Amino acid sequence: GEDVEQSLFLSVREGDSSVINCTYTDSSSTYLYWYKQEPGAGLQLLTYIFSNMDMKQDQRLTVLLNKKDKHLSLRIADTQTGDSAIYFCAERGGANNLFFGTGTRLTVIP
Amino acid sequence: DAGVTQSPTHLIKTRGQQVTLRCSPKSGHDTVSWYQQALGQGPQFIFQYYEEEERQRGNFPDRFSGHQFPNYSSELNVNALLLGDSALYLCASSLGGAEPIPFGPGTRLTVT
Repeated sequence: GEDVEQSLFLSVREGDSSVINCTYTDSSSTYLYWYKQEPGAGLQLLTYIFSNMDMKQDQRLTVLLNKKDKHLSLRIADTQTGDSAIYFCAERGGANNLFFGTGTRLTVIP
Repeated sequence: DAGVTQSPTHLIKTRGQQVTLRCSPKSGHDTVSWYQQALGQGPQFIFQYYEEEERQRGNFPDRFSGHQFPNYSSELNVNALLLGDSALYLCASSLGGAEPIPFGPGTRLTVT
């Protein structure tokens, strides 16, 4: 079955870049997603990448996909205190359902 | 253009009771998926509805059931509530295989 893994915590200083990593197991996944969750809130879709792409950039966000190693990363440039949240990586299964990692808690230090 | 909406926002129930949660998909989307997010965990897939039928189901007991209406909105029903059913219940909508998948704000269910 699908298994998505992420490191639990990341701390960065304001203005630095953050890199959140994720590994997944299903090589047939068509799309991979990054969601942001602030305390007490739902999931906010940040970005997604199709499996035939290596990279996708969207303003401060850069997604890198290494299909061979089944590794996905999210880079946030110029990290701000408002970026403090839990970030979830998810892969899309064959029935268009999503399999999530346990989330990475990003703390931005002023 | 309304995104995914859910109601109610919060709910408190007692063990053994039944609960119904509601979701309206993003305009133009025809598929609704439900997820359970326990505290400190990632969301877990419950089931998915398309054309008013349950199309796919995760590893959840039959106490969890659902329904989709002709306007694509959906309900999640949970019977015989257990303390362990306390969680944030999230709804997502989609259209085919080429769309992003937005989520609603969730319903926080507390079972006492």
